[in-house]
Formats: sequence, C-alpha cells, structure tokens
Amino acid sequence: GAVVSQHPSWVICKSGTSVKIECRSLDFQATTMFWYRQFPKQSLMLMATSNEGSKATYEQGVEKDKFLINHASLTLSTLTVTSAHPEDSSFYICSTPGTSIAGELFFGEGSRLTVL
Amino acid sequence: AQSVTQLDSHVSVSEGTPVLLRCNYSSSYSPSLFWYVQHPNKGLQLLLKYTSAATLVKGINGFEAEFKKSETSFHLTKPSAHMSDAAEYFCVVSYGGSQGNLIFGKGTKLSVKP
Repeated sequence: GAVVSQHPSWVICKSGTSVKIECRSLDFQATTMFWYRQFPKQSLMLMATSNEGSKATYEQGVEKDKFLINHASLTLSTLTVTSAHPEDSSFYICSTPGTSIAGELFFGEGSRLTVL
Repeated sequence: AQSVTQLDSHVSVSEGTPVLLRCNYSSSYSPSLFWYVQHPNKGLQLLLKYTSAATLVKGINGFEAEFKKSETSFHLTKPSAHMSDAAEYFCVVSYGGSQGNLIFGKGTKLSVKP
C-alpha cells in the first residue's frame, strides 16, 4: 500500500473559498513533510517544508498566509489554500523522507485543485 | 550554480524498442541522483537511485541508469519499452544536507506508440 496517503485527489471549489489538503503517513512517523506545487507540463516547485510541532518554512515567493501548513502530529500534515483564486489551480503534492539518504522521498498521490 | 538538465522534454518510442532519457547535472562534488516517474494525475514514484556505490544502478520495471562522473550524466535506459511506461520522468539531484536541497529536472514525457 501507499506510504503516504494524500486526499482529496480532486477538488473543485468556488473562488474565495478555502480548501484543505491532507497528507497522512501510513505505518511510520513523518517528522518532515514537503509540499510541492506543479503547474501543467512543469516540474515540481517546493512551496514549504513542515516539521511536526513547529512552524513551516516557506520558500521565497510563497505566501504563508495564503498557503497555511499545519503539521500537528507525526502522521498528518495539512495544506490549506485560503481564499482560493483561479490562479491557485494546480496540482499539489506532498512528500516525506523515507530513509536517511538525502533526496529519497515518498510522495503522496497528489491533489488536483481547480478554482472556478 | 548547481543544476540538473533533462535534455529532452518529450521522447517518443515504439513499443519494444529501447528507451533513453537523458540527464546531466552540474556538480562541484558527487551528488546523490534519482529518477522518479509520474503517471498522469499521480504522485511521483522512485525508479532508482545512485548514492556513490555501483555506477550502474538497476531500478524497478526494468529501468537502469549509469552514473558517469566524467560526463556528469545519469541517463535512464530500458531495453524494451512497454505501453505502461508512458509517463513523465524526473531526474532529481541531491547535494546532501537538508532534504530541501533537491533540484528537480523539468521532466521528460515518454510516449510509447503501439
């Protein structure tokens, strides 16, 4: 089974509403979760890094008040897109380190957000 | 600056023919290198990884990649393409330290014709 469970897979919302995306680690503790954004035909762009029990670290240019990240437990990290706008429509993916080898990650299955 | 370059944005092959997806990196020291595959609307799955052990790395689904330091390359190959191999492939370089020190290539879309 999947190591990281991400849902919802698809979400369509109206402009101005908020959407929460969850990533759960299955059968292991994820102290760190990375959140990526992927535009069509583009590579992954790291948005932020969340660590359990502490504030997330955001990459330059990512609005932390718009993309709220919570990592309240060792098995759950959430990304909330607040007051969504059509330009927020994208594919959002979470990942967590699987081993001590830097760069080896387990990815969630991604969430396709469409804002109308 | 550290970088990773996937030389082809799109590769098209016929089923049963060899696959070559190219990746070059810039490096001032030996990085860890990875290939990930992404099927449509799915997350990424690790295909294989190089971490300074054997230079020829075998991965899942018959893929392999060879680390060539002299050419700063880590090309992905498969002897015979299958329809199910059609996907987006990402070459990823890690320069160690924080897990955030990853550089993703722009991806290569592999199409497989029957």
